[in-house]
Amino acid sequence: GDSVTQMEGPVTLSEEAFLTINCTYTATGYPSLFWYVQYPGEGLQLLLKATKADDKGSNKGFEATYRKETTSFHLEKGSVQVSDSAVYFCALSGSNDYKLSFGAGTTVTVRA
Amino acid sequence: DGGITQSPKYLFRKEGQNVTLSCEQNLNHDAMYWYRQDPGQGLRLIYYSQIVNDFQKGDIAEGYSVSREKKESFPLTVTSAQKNPTAFYLCASSITSYNSPLHFGNGTRLTVT
Repeated sequence: GDSVTQMEGPVTLSEEAFLTINCTYTATGYPSLFWYVQYPGEGLQLLLKATKADDKGSNKGFEATYRKETTSFHLEKGSVQVSDSAVYFCALSGSNDYKLSFGAGTTVTVRA
Repeated sequence: DGGITQSPKYLFRKEGQNVTLSCEQNLNHDAMYWYRQDPGQGLRLIYYSQIVNDFQKGDIAEGYSVSREKKESFPLTVTSAQKNPTAFYLCASSITSYNSPLHFGNGTRLTVT
């Protein structure tokens, strides 16, 4: 079935550092891809999404490009802030499905 | 403001008791979902419903039950048959479109002792 694999954390960075979180997927057809963010004690919020190959999703300085040739959707941010400390989840929905499959999550801590 | 409300935020129960978690949405979404979150395991789908009076099992439905009598409500019952019920439970909703994202509530942390 469809699945998502993302890099394990935790990841600790200094403020203004570059962040990359790797995400690869396995799916039939043409899935939609998502990144969600979860702040402590809260639910998940959609960060960005891409629905077809070569689409780039972006939001709040974060970007991810849907790469079908490498089945990847890596999350990047050029200069992180302390407020970016959170758990980040990669997810996909299959081309014939509404529900999402999630990766294990990557905990990011940004230090001042 | 539209959104998803889960209550209560924290819930404590004794082993052997059934417990029901509430989830209400006013987003007019047809689909609703229950996920379980455990440290290091991401989110796992328990049950989902795409329309009133219909629901399907997810990947880890054993020991759980749901109902969908109203579009706005999708309560989850954790029964005594669930072997490891202590977890963070997240409810979500979406429109029934293949590209649509899920909207999540703030979760209920259930502790069973």
